[in-house]
Amino acid sequence: QVQLQESGPGLVKPSETLSLTCTVSGDSIGLFSWSWIRQPAGKGLEWIGRIYSGGSTNYNSSLKSRVTMSIEKSKNRFSLTLSSVTAADTAVYYCARNDILTGHFGDWGQGTLVTVSS
Amino acid sequence: SYELTQPPSVSVAPGQTATIPCGGDNIGRQSVHWYQQKPGQAPMLVVYDDSDRPSEIPERFSGSNSGNTATLTITRVEAGDEADYHCQVWDGTSVLFGGGTKLTVL
Repeated sequence: QVQLQESGPGLVKPSETLSLTCTVSGDSIGLFSWSWIRQPAGKGLEWIGRIYSGGSTNYNSSLKSRVTMSIEKSKNRFSLTLSSVTAADTAVYYCARNDILTGHFGDWGQGTLVTVSS
Repeated sequence: SYELTQPPSVSVAPGQTATIPCGGDNIGRQSVHWYQQKPGQAPMLVVYDDSDRPSEIPERFSGSNSGNTATLTITRVEAGDEADYHCQVWDGTSVLFGGGTKLTVL
């Protein structure tokens, strides 16, 4: 079974850039597509974006102007950057494996809390 | 924009059947996936492609999808089923989640 682990700073200052990495183990990152999803405390899930093994991406239209995703197949990991963060970006951030055809998320990381505060 | 609508909460007694709806315009034309999320944990897939189950999920969990409503059904509900349940669709370029439903086992 694929395992995913998020890593990155837990505290980011307003107006700065949030950067997270998801390291994949148990299978090659080149076989699937991958997403970032976030969840503010007490609220629902919000999809941020998806990256394919070839590097093409789809982003949530509401975040598109601030989001960049990249993939490093040699290190079996992919990354998220979110620029110009505000308190509204405070959330638990999850990385997850996407089914290529139907888009369901079969495997998730444990999640990492990112707080935006000065 | 397309939206998925779930009731905030559903309550059921142990041993009874819980039904959790997910509404959306012509949602029956899309594949719907369901996730269970317990406090402090990542979501876990319980139903995909409307009605398929991962091998580790009990047969008590089932799904259906028709018209404007997809439904997650949990039979013989147990205390351990108490959790938030989220529906999700993928339209080829974008993922959408419902707002989530908290299942309370009385």
